[in-house]
Amino acid sequence: DGGITQSPKYLFRKEGQNVTLSCEQNLNHDAMYWYRQDPGQGLRLIYYSQIVNDFQKGDIAEGYSVSREKKESFPLTVTSAQKNPTAFYLCASSMGQGADEQFFGPGTRLTVL
Amino acid sequence: KNQVEQSPQSLIILEGKNCTLQCNYTVSPFSNLRWYKQDTGRGPVSLTIMTFSENTKSNGRYTATLDADTKQSSLHITASQLSDSASYICVVRLYGNNRLAFGKGNQVVVIP
Repeated sequence: DGGITQSPKYLFRKEGQNVTLSCEQNLNHDAMYWYRQDPGQGLRLIYYSQIVNDFQKGDIAEGYSVSREKKESFPLTVTSAQKNPTAFYLCASSMGQGADEQFFGPGTRLTVL
Repeated sequence: KNQVEQSPQSLIILEGKNCTLQCNYTVSPFSNLRWYKQDTGRGPVSLTIMTFSENTKSNGRYTATLDADTKQSSLHITASQLSDSASYICVVRLYGNNRLAFGKGNQVVVIP
């Protein structure tokens, strides 16, 4: 069953805590992305990676960190420095960073208590 | 200012009726334009893609149009079904740097 998976689906954390969101894909895609979605707003790019061991900041990278140690995995850490972390987080992947379709995971809803 | 504007923000339609969603963009030059369907609490799924030279593309009951001169696109849903209740997102890919510009989505609710 090929695709892109995210876990957990729902995540709760206390203020001041770091939390890591998982994103795994078995599509053999080179490029992976993290987006944030807030109510009434379009998706905003946090980080993206074109290839293993390389990643670039997106439009709203402050307070977030990523790693790309394996082609299949692109975890996102939401740090305590992120002032408003409650949101729906979407991971996506594509064959390359060209005009290819981005395939999205099911998302993780993070709530900070 | 958002580079992709969608209207209406939300609409309610009766099952079996048609509806049309609008997308206006200022992105230039652009590589392609996609419409995604996003069910509540799920990730977006691509419905159609159009390049600069294409002006219509269909996927079942979904038909997208593109007027690159006026920078407008529309998504027409024919004979709506309850399962069409979702957010429809217009996404424009910038030419050259391959970044994506997302609209805020059209929230469609189909009622029996």
